[in-house]
Amino acid sequence: GENVEQHPSTLSVQEGDSAVIKCTYSDSASNYFPWYKQELGKRPQLIIDIRSNVGEKKDQRIAVTLNKTAKHFSLHITETQPEDSAVYFCAARANQAGTALIFGKGTTLSVSS
Amino acid sequence: DAGITQSPRHKVTETGTPVTLRCHQTENHRYMYWYRQDPGHGLRLIHYSYGVKDTDKGEVSDGYSVSRSKTEDFLLTLESATSSQTSVYFCAISEAVGNSPLHFGNGTRLTVT
Repeated sequence: GENVEQHPSTLSVQEGDSAVIKCTYSDSASNYFPWYKQELGKRPQLIIDIRSNVGEKKDQRIAVTLNKTAKHFSLHITETQPEDSAVYFCAARANQAGTALIFGKGTTLSVSS
Repeated sequence: DAGITQSPRHKVTETGTPVTLRCHQTENHRYMYWYRQDPGHGLRLIHYSYGVKDTDKGEVSDGYSVSRSKTEDFLLTLESATSSQTSVYFCAISEAVGNSPLHFGNGTRLTVT
């Protein structure tokens, strides 16, 4: 089955800096890679996702890159703000019946002002 | 926000007692999932359903069972709760497999004493 590794587990940056979180996956059949943000005491919420036919996707200050050959994908947050402080999860899933999203263990991002 | 309701929101129970958590959706989505969240482990898949009466095991299914008799309801049962099942349980739904994102409920915090 799929296995997703996420690094780093914690990340501290100054406001305005960039933050990068990296994930690797094991199943070459995986072709959907979402990122979720979870604020303290809240549910995880989708912030951006990428399909395997796309190498990069941007949404304002957030971007995700995908390298299918190396089986890794990354989340990039530019011009970080204190409200970006949260736990971020990557995930992967194959487009096959009987599969489900498998998550990494999460990265706690702290943005200090 | 997706129409997902989890009940109860909080529960304290004793070791050895049965516990049932309920997830109710109003989106008519085919796929439903149960995840547990623990510090250092991220979100781990317990069971999922791909239709009424169609379910499958996830990464950490031991000690749990599920049932789905209607599209809108997905029940998670701990037949005999143990302290290791103290966790936050999230239900999620998706419209399809593949590129379809998951939407999470607000979670149930279960404490087994």
